[in-house]
Amino acid sequence: AQSVSQHNHHVILSEAASLELGCNYSYGGTVNLFWYVQYPGQHLQLLLKYFSGDPLVKGIKGFEAEFIKSKFSFNLRKPSVQWSDTAEYFCAVNRGFGNEKLTFGTGTRLTIIP
Amino acid sequence: DVKVTQSSRYLVKRTGEKVFLECVQDMDHENMFWYRQDPGLGLRLIYFSYDVKMKEKGDIPEGYSVSREKKERFSLILESASTNQTSMYLCASIPLMGTTDTQYFGPGTRLTVL
Repeated sequence: AQSVSQHNHHVILSEAASLELGCNYSYGGTVNLFWYVQYPGQHLQLLLKYFSGDPLVKGIKGFEAEFIKSKFSFNLRKPSVQWSDTAEYFCAVNRGFGNEKLTFGTGTRLTIIP
Repeated sequence: DVKVTQSSRYLVKRTGEKVFLECVQDMDHENMFWYRQDPGLGLRLIYFSYDVKMKEKGDIPEGYSVSREKKERFSLILESASTNQTSMYLCASIPLMGTTDTQYFGPGTRLTVL
C-alpha cells in the first residue's frame, strides 16, 4: 500500500523567510500528487497538483512544488512567506486516475511570525 | 462552483448513541469519500462510494458504516459511538472516473463523543 511521509510536524518561520516542506511517498508506479492547505477554521482546499508533464508545478498564492521521481519526493516551496500562510499543509498521493482514493501525509503545521 | 456541505459543524453525542453524519454535493459527482482528521495522523479514509448503493471500505472502516441512496448524498453512520471516535470528519467528492480533477472537501463536522 502506498504511504506518504511529511517529516516536518511543526515549522515556525518569520515573515519573508523561504519555505520548503518535505513530502515523500512510497509507491513505484505512476502517481498523482497533491498539496492541500487548511487555514484556521476553514475547510481543506487544493494548493496545487501534479498529474504529468513539467515536474515543477505552480499553485495558488505563490506556492510551487517539484516532483522528483528518483527521490519519490514532492516538496512544497515558497520563496517568501506571509503571516497569512499560517495553516496546516497536507501532502497526498493517489494512483492512476485522479479520482482514486487519496492517501494523505500526517500534515505540517506552519506558523508564521509577523 | 462545486459545493460540498455537511449537516453539522459541531456535534456532541454520548457513548453508545447511533450517529448520522450527512454530506451533500451539488455537482452530480459519482464519487464520494468520508475521512477522519486527527492531530498528528492527517486524514484517513473511512469509506468511499463510486455510485449509488455502492460502497467500499477505506483504511479504517471499523465502527462505521455508510449509506448512499441518492447520488448527491453520502451518509456516515456510527452504529454505537465511542469516545475514540471523537474527531473531525470530512466529506469529499470528485467527478467521473478518468478525469484529472481533484477531490472537493466539505467544511467538516467536529464530533465529540462523551
